[in-house]
Amino acid sequence: AQSVTQPDIHITVSEGASLELRCNYSYGATPYLFWYVQSPGQGLQLLLKYFSGDTLVQGIKGFEAEFKRSQSSFNLRKPSVHWSDAAEYFCAVGEPTSYDKVIFGPGTSLSVIP
Amino acid sequence: SQTIHQWPATLVQPVGSPLSLECTVEGTSNPNLYWYRQAAGRGLQLLFYSVGIGQISSEVPQNLSASRPQDRQFILSSKKLLLSDSGFYLCAWSGDRGSWEQYFGPGTRLTVT
Repeated sequence: AQSVTQPDIHITVSEGASLELRCNYSYGATPYLFWYVQSPGQGLQLLLKYFSGDTLVQGIKGFEAEFKRSQSSFNLRKPSVHWSDAAEYFCAVGEPTSYDKVIFGPGTSLSVIP
Repeated sequence: SQTIHQWPATLVQPVGSPLSLECTVEGTSNPNLYWYRQAAGRGLQLLFYSVGIGQISSEVPQNLSASRPQDRQFILSSKKLLLSDSGFYLCAWSGDRGSWEQYFGPGTRLTVT
């Protein structure tokens, strides 16, 4: 069965520092991969997605992610974190079915120190 | 543009009481609709999805049910709430198959006491 793991439950970084959030997936075919962000008490917003092609994808808010098939990973990065980036981040894998099913990871909570 | 609404924003209900959460989407037609539950400190669990009016599929057995009486309306219900039903409920929609991106509502915080 498909699954998504995010090894880090919580990460704290200083404002201006670089960020990398880890994501590993288990999927038998070429995956569709996503990163979503959730601000406290809010719904989720798509940051970026990977379907095929260039393995480095750019998203909104200055985020990027790199797909590494050999490592079954899709890590999210940002070169310089802003205080407003404090949120919950979810990695997800798409499982093509009748309705574009998406399986979400458990999430990583990001705190930013001023 | 498309918008998604959920209400109420917060709800406190006693054990054994009924539940009705509503989700509506504007600005699109025939969306795929989803109900997720997010327990504290955990990821999203897909509860129900719908690809059309009256078409509901359940992902996990539970104390909840869903209905889609209109194209852009999705309702989550329970006849008798359990303590374990507490959580953050999110409604989402996506476009035609292959569009993949899901758009989430603001969520409903349900506390069962």
